[in-house]
Amino acid sequence: RKEVEQDPGPFNVPEGATVAFNCTYSNSASQSFFWYRQDCRKEPKLLMSVYSSGNEDGRFTAQLNRASQYISLLIRDSKLSDSATYLCVVDGDSGAGSYQLTFGKGTKLSVIP
Amino acid sequence: DTEVTQTPKHLVMGMTNKKSLKCEQHMGHRAMYWYKQKAKKPPELMFVYSYEKLSINESVPSRFSPECPNSSLLNLHLHALQPEDSALYLCASSQVAGGAHEQYFGPGTRLTVT
Repeated sequence: RKEVEQDPGPFNVPEGATVAFNCTYSNSASQSFFWYRQDCRKEPKLLMSVYSSGNEDGRFTAQLNRASQYISLLIRDSKLSDSATYLCVVDGDSGAGSYQLTFGKGTKLSVIP
Repeated sequence: DTEVTQTPKHLVMGMTNKKSLKCEQHMGHRAMYWYKQKAKKPPELMFVYSYEKLSINESVPSRFSPECPNSSLLNLHLHALQPEDSALYLCASSQVAGGAHEQYFGPGTRLTVT
């Protein structure tokens, strides 16, 4: 079974801190990678797709390391509103046309005033 | 507008009831999904519809019956559920089916089976 592993946390950080999460995946054939955030008792919301060249969206930076099969998410200048569970999501592609996304169990972040 | 809507928000049903969950998207997406999520666990895929046809059924018990009346609507019919089926049921859609495409989730229906 294909696996996506994340440190469950919780990560408790003060406002303004920089925090980084890593995620490892086992399927070397995976092609697509995403970070979602999920607030308590809410649906997952797409935070960003992760591209081979890395990508940045404001305070958020995502990186992909294919050789080591890990993905990272860096959050700079943490805000209270960043408190959530961050899900690492990888396509379960074992061949063309796979529909499945494999979800990590999530990393819980609490930003403290 | 990346919006997927789901009704109802909450549902309490007995084990002998029949109920339906509804999902709608107007993004022109041709793939729609049902997921089940238990507390502190990641979403688990149940069904995938691609161009209104059922593409994947992840060995879901027959007491869950999906239906896709058109490209914008997805239903999940529930019958004779068990208490362990209590969970958050999430609908998602993507441009087309395939893990390469970003999926957008609805707010979910929180189901309690008594």
